[in-house]
Amino acid sequence: DAKTTQPPSMDCAEGRAANLPCNHSTISGNEYVYWYRQIHSQGPQYIIHGLKNNETNEMASLIITEDRKSSTLILPHATLRDTAVYYCIVPLSNFGNEKLTFGTGTRLTIIP
Amino acid sequence: IAGITQAPTSQILAAGRRMTLRCTQDMRHNAMYWYRQDLGLGLRLIHYSNTAGTTGKGEVPDGYSVSRANTDDFPLTLASAVPSQTSVYFCASSDSPDRAVADTQYFGPGTRLTVL
Repeated sequence: DAKTTQPPSMDCAEGRAANLPCNHSTISGNEYVYWYRQIHSQGPQYIIHGLKNNETNEMASLIITEDRKSSTLILPHATLRDTAVYYCIVPLSNFGNEKLTFGTGTRLTIIP
Repeated sequence: IAGITQAPTSQILAAGRRMTLRCTQDMRHNAMYWYRQDLGLGLRLIHYSNTAGTTGKGEVPDGYSVSRANTDDFPLTLASAVPSQTSVYFCASSDSPDRAVADTQYFGPGTRLTVL
């Protein structure tokens, strides 16, 4: 897996957009960027993934820089239930069904 | 549809005892995984299975074994538990129609295991 770097923690006010950065400077051309989150004591939950274009789904938006060396996960209107640890992962894409390497992620706290 | 279920939810086990953690998925996913999560270390892959009948070692396989007799079940066995295996264990599954793309994994609720 390409190495990713995330800030250990962030705070965001409820109702505001939460922007979580991730650096992946060693990413190769065919590797996707995945984001998962883990709410306290639950299993990780898939959020979104992308290759080179920006992506949006019902949970979040993913902005990937043109050189693909970094990305930002955006939660447009953060709620208290978004408090969780967020993981940015770049798994190997050569073999499919590839194992994910979870680092320590970013602990996002939504402030009322 | 239940997704992925794990059993037991939690367990306290004496060192040296044998323990099997159960994992079942009803999504007909080809691949299944076992992770352990320890405070400050994130999730680490123990074993995985790309399809029924095959298994592979992850990052921390020692002291654990798995089997994949069918698509739905992927049990994790600790043959002789030790205190360092105290952890939260998560099972996951995934399925990708395009084997060139690493795909989404779906996680179970976890099993909290304490080895004394």
